[in-house]
Parts: sequence; structure tokens; C-alpha cells
Amino acid sequence: EAGVTQSPTHLIKTRGQQATLRCSPISGHTSVYWYQQALGLGLQFLLWYDEGEERNRGNFPPRFSGRQFPNYSSELNVNALELEDSALYLCASSWTGQETQYFGPGTRLLVL
Amino acid sequence: GDSVTQMEGPVTLSEEAFLTINCTYTATGYPSLFWYVQYPGEGLQLLLKATKADDKGSNKGFEATYRKETTSFHLEKGSVQVSDSAVYFCALTELDAGGTSYGKLTFGQGTILTVHP
Repeated sequence: EAGVTQSPTHLIKTRGQQATLRCSPISGHTSVYWYQQALGLGLQFLLWYDEGEERNRGNFPPRFSGRQFPNYSSELNVNALELEDSALYLCASSWTGQETQYFGPGTRLLVL
Repeated sequence: GDSVTQMEGPVTLSEEAFLTINCTYTATGYPSLFWYVQYPGEGLQLLLKATKADDKGSNKGFEATYRKETTSFHLEKGSVQVSDSAVYFCALTELDAGGTSYGKLTFGQGTILTVHP
């Protein structure tokens, strides 16, 4: 069974640009979660999508947004990039109502 | 809000030594507890979990017991290997007053483990 996949693996942008990160959940999973792992700041919850709807949001500014598609894949958009957005962005998935989240390998975003 | 505190690292051990990584939590309700492991350059892998008090999670020789009375979920392994070198994260799910998940995992700061031959 394929795990959670994310693309691209690495992304380099300059300050002020927009970044789009993509995630495909494990087959059968309907919930997708996004986390930011910035150096020295640990893992921070960003967003939760389930059945196409945003269910919860972490303490991040509105320039962090995303969506979930009918096939349950998801994308995370970060607008007006700032240097401190440089981080590893991890996507996870689960069955609806299940607490166990399975993580992908992450997208490493570097903002110059 | 809920929080997780892990022991300060890094932890350096010799192969076959006993491992303990302490984890304590603060939470309302009865969260599920998890240990995840992150190998260099990779994402997180679920190591083990426990969903209620006194449950013991185990996997690959690692164990952790959900202790509600001490709000702890310490990770242990009897004999570590070089291949266990990684960062270990303790985490919990946050629940509302009715016991419904917010869909959010709250993580500890991570503990770096290095095992030498």
C-alpha cells in the first residue's frame, strides 16, 4: 500500500513569491493535515481538511491557505513568502474520525 | 491549551544500552498518546500509540505506557541499536469537551538519540 506522497521534495523561492505544495493521502483516507517543522520551533499544526472542508486551523496568518480536492488530495499555498517560512512542510492523512495520522516525507521550502 | 514536554536532549548511548525518553503532558479530557520517529532527511513514522489509561503501546522493541495518574508516556527500549539513531517525538491528540478530536497533534520538542557502536 502506497503511503502519503508529497511534491515537490524541495522548493526554492524568493521573498514575496507564492509557493504551492501538494499532498496525496493514503488510499481510503479522507482527512489531510498540514504541519510546519521550522528549525528550532518544532512541529506546528497548520490545517486540517476532511471531506473537502477545512475543519481546523492552527495559529498561522491567512497567507497560509489550502484546499482539498474531490479525490482527497490537498495543496497548501503560502502567499507573500517570508524568510521565516523556510521549513519542512509535512502532510499527514487518516481515516475520518481516526486519531492516528500517517505522515509523508515532506517538502523542504527554502525562501531566499 | 494542551502541551507535551519531552526530556532535554541530545541523548547519546552505546549499542545495547537501555533507553528511556521521558514525556509528560497536559491535557483536558482523555487524549490519545503517540510516539513518532524521524530519521535523518525523512518525514515522521508512527512508532507506537496508546488510546486510554494503562494501555501499553509497543513496536520494534520500544514500549510506552499511558499513565494518567502521572500524565506521562515515557518511551523505553531494553537494548538500542545504531539504527535507532533518530529524533523521537511524543505527541497527543487534542480533544474538545465532548471528546471529539480537533484533528490536531500537539508535539513535544523532540529528543535526538545517537547510538554508538
